[in-house]
Amino acid sequence: GAVVSQHPSRVICKSGTSVKIECRSLDFQATTMFWYRQFPKQSLMLMATSNEGSKATYEQGVEKDKFLINHASLTLSTLTVTSAHPEDSSFYICSATNRGWPYEQYFGPGTRLTVT
Amino acid sequence: KQEVTQIPAALSVPEGENLVLNCSFTDSAIYNLQWFRQDPGKGLTSLLLIQSSQREQTSGRLNASLDKSSGRSTLYIAASQPGDSATYLCAVNMDSNYQLIWGAGTKLIIKP
Repeated sequence: GAVVSQHPSRVICKSGTSVKIECRSLDFQATTMFWYRQFPKQSLMLMATSNEGSKATYEQGVEKDKFLINHASLTLSTLTVTSAHPEDSSFYICSATNRGWPYEQYFGPGTRLTVT
Repeated sequence: KQEVTQIPAALSVPEGENLVLNCSFTDSAIYNLQWFRQDPGKGLTSLLLIQSSQREQTSGRLNASLDKSSGRSTLYIAASQPGDSATYLCAVNMDSNYQLIWGAGTKLIIKP
């Protein structure tokens, strides 16, 4: 149980375009989802926290107008990178929790974004 | 502010050895602590979750311990194998926001 999927696993887009990444909890209701970004050889950096039905809370330094997060249902959150630039190329990982015991976050497999 | 430190940053050992990875944290008021492994270019695999009330958790050749009072957790890997080569991350869950505070990871290489 507690499976989180991400789609797509890899995406290449041209500079200036937008790309959407989906994060789904397959077998539980995710009241809270998190979006992380990971640069090569570095640990995860939290970008934002989203609670179902509410606006996402962004970490300091993360542009909310560039990284649009929607958490419209208890099983789906989306991250849209708008007007992507090469510096947005990174590994994006989502996680989800039902905020109940055992208070664990379950992670998706990640999405590799390359902006050319 | 919670800080999580993992030492060493990298470790290379021959196959078959037992080894210990360390994770320390500055604020003992944690909900739980998780250990993950990450293979190059891949996502995270959860290995063990230790609740604040627990002292250790075991899964196969892995054993994780938690000493809240000293702000330490260890991940013990028995009879290491080349397939154990990966980066190991620890993360602490601090509060009801469920935000994880991450260590920088230990890159482990098991030499055949």
